[in-house]
Amino acid sequence: DTAVSQTPKYLVTQMGNDKSIKCEQNLGHDTMYWYKQDSKKFLKIMFSYNNKELIINETVPDRFSPKSPDKAHLNLHINSLELGDSAVYFCASSTGPDVGSPLHFGNGTRLTVT
Amino acid sequence: RKEVEQDPGPFNVPEGATVAFNCTYSNSASQSFFWYRQDCRKEPKLLMSVYSSGNEDGRFTAQLNRASQYISLLIRDSKLSDSATYLCVVNGGSASKIIFGSGTRLSIRP
Repeated sequence: DTAVSQTPKYLVTQMGNDKSIKCEQNLGHDTMYWYKQDSKKFLKIMFSYNNKELIINETVPDRFSPKSPDKAHLNLHINSLELGDSAVYFCASSTGPDVGSPLHFGNGTRLTVT
Repeated sequence: RKEVEQDPGPFNVPEGATVAFNCTYSNSASQSFFWYRQDCRKEPKLLMSVYSSGNEDGRFTAQLNRASQYISLLIRDSKLSDSATYLCVVNGGSASKIIFGSGTRLSIRP
């Protein structure tokens, strides 16, 4: 009965490849997010969707493309992977994009680009 | 000045000690505040929200000082299981303004 689940947990791939990470939440939340946590442990927002609509798109390269087929799913596709993309990617959800809604995180996808 | 700043630590304290962390934020319009806990190689998990009047949850007490723009977390009677990184989170008014601090590492020794 995992609340926010993402797959895969580990992803090792070579530069130039294309890969996807999937995320699903069963909390009935309207808003989902992708965060990136780099080697210095900073958590930075990449994208946010509210009811399948993109509401936040931070300065992320075009190689990253989120897709939300429904409000319970938010996938992340990455084209032409680069060494600098190596990080832990967390999916999260909240009841809404408003103030006071805490985030519930998935267990992360550790991406290593070689 | 960073939007949200925390002392990175590490704080290394004996079991049973009381330990306190502060977190400062730069946006005076920030509206909601949280403490998250992140264990090594795990996801962040909500520890507690921080309310204007201060709030307590068992051994944990959170306080907000809007005038000085900081929040604090106090852990009493610390346990070995409290060892983790504690992340301060400030919401400036929309999903895009959820700012995470870089975290304070706490290590409790027997």
